Amino acid sequence: GEDVEQSLFLSVREGDSSVINCTYTDSSSTYLYWYKQEPGAGLQLLTYIFSNMDMKQDQRLTVLLNKKDKHLSLRIADTQTGDSAIYFCAEEPQTGGFKTIFGAGTRLFVKA
Amino acid sequence: DTGVSQDPRHKITKRGQNVTFRCDPISEHNRLYWYRQTLGQGPEFLTYFQNEAQLEKSRLLSDRFSAERPKGSFSTLEIQRTEQGDSAMYLCASSAIREAFFGQGTRLTVV
Repeated sequence: GEDVEQSLFLSVREGDSSVINCTYTDSSSTYLYWYKQEPGAGLQLLTYIFSNMDMKQDQRLTVLLNKKDKHLSLRIADTQTGDSAIYFCAEEPQTGGFKTIFGAGTRLFVKA
Repeated sequence: DTGVSQDPRHKITKRGQNVTFRCDPISEHNRLYWYRQTLGQGPEFLTYFQNEAQLEKSRLLSDRFSAERPKGSFSTLEIQRTEQGDSAMYLCASSAIREAFFGQGTRLTVV
């Protein structure tokens, strides 16, 4: 079946690195995504990684993919208070058309 | 503003009434998606259009739900005989190839 699991909360101090973890179940997933949702706003795509990649870096964001363990992580370097939001991990199963399966989200609190 | 727009932003309705939501995607995007998000959860896929064709529907989409995308442009999502369990945020997204852009959603409250 298709399922995406994330821890619910993460609290870090401003300037520290944040690491948000995610596990997924569908090994056929071709793309894995990280979305950000701020209060009252829609979802914003932060980054995505293709399943044949191990790592992707984009400015302060680093995505690591362990396909064997079906584990995805998002590292945010030098976390700022503006990074406080809910972060959703999502997979796009190869057999599911173009639908995307989302986790429940990790709420990131950044303390000044 | 050339993003995905949804109307209305908020809707309060009495149980048993019908409601209709509208989504205007980014104009050059041929793919359009509807998701539902309840408090503390991630978005759940409801349905997907490529141009005007509805290619996939979730089991979550009961017979009371219907979505259309006439002419492959805007889309509507109708819920008939609303129930309290329908209270949620209804999100629309559109994409050209890979990156899906989400609207701000329509928050439905059924009282």
